[in-house]
Amino acid sequence: EPEVTQTPSHQVTQMGQEVILRCVPISNHLYFYWYRQILGQKVEFLVSFYNNEISEKSEIFDDQFSVERPDGSNFTLKIRSTKLEDSAMYFCASSGHLRDRTYEQYFGPGTRLTVT
Amino acid sequence: AQSVTQLGSHVSVSEGALVLLRCNYSSSVPPYLFWYVQYPNQGLQLLLKYTSAATLVKGINGFEAEFKKSETSFHLTKPSAHMSDAAEYFCAVSGNFGNEKLTFGTGTRLTIIP
Repeated sequence: EPEVTQTPSHQVTQMGQEVILRCVPISNHLYFYWYRQILGQKVEFLVSFYNNEISEKSEIFDDQFSVERPDGSNFTLKIRSTKLEDSAMYFCASSGHLRDRTYEQYFGPGTRLTVT
Repeated sequence: AQSVTQLGSHVSVSEGALVLLRCNYSSSVPPYLFWYVQYPNQGLQLLLKYTSAATLVKGINGFEAEFKKSETSFHLTKPSAHMSDAAEYFCAVSGNFGNEKLTFGTGTRLTIIP
């Protein structure tokens, strides 16, 4: 069964450093998302991406964040200057298969980001 | 704006007993509703969804949920709990345009007592 993959599974970085989280969505999906889950808290929406542009973003998604689909398969989240409060599990999701509109978002296993 | 409230951050049931996880939603438009399960150190897996078709929705692993507009609820049930059901369960809501962002509840951790 097709699945969303994310790399790395765990990233440790120092405050102020840039990180790039990578995702490979399910082939032929049209919509892409990033969510995050701070330890012990609920899953929060960050940004959605469709047709090579951001379709919606939350107030969390400030100028320190950016997303990109550099090629036909990868979808990346960049944090330019990490803060301690960016420590969280980051989930990538995709939806909207070309052939059927099921509106199901399929989630990857997540990248645990630890900022020290 | 949309939101969901999950009553009970922790629920414990005996193996073989009924599982009932509660979710109430608030939405300014007819919603789509979802239940996701998260096993330890894993991502989110879709259990079932309501997208304005049948109000009683059946999902994987024997779970089902009923959309009740009058009560703004979408509670998750399973007739007989199994040890493998131990996990965190999240209710989520989106708009009905399709492929919109999900707004999640705070989650309910389900523990199964042998």
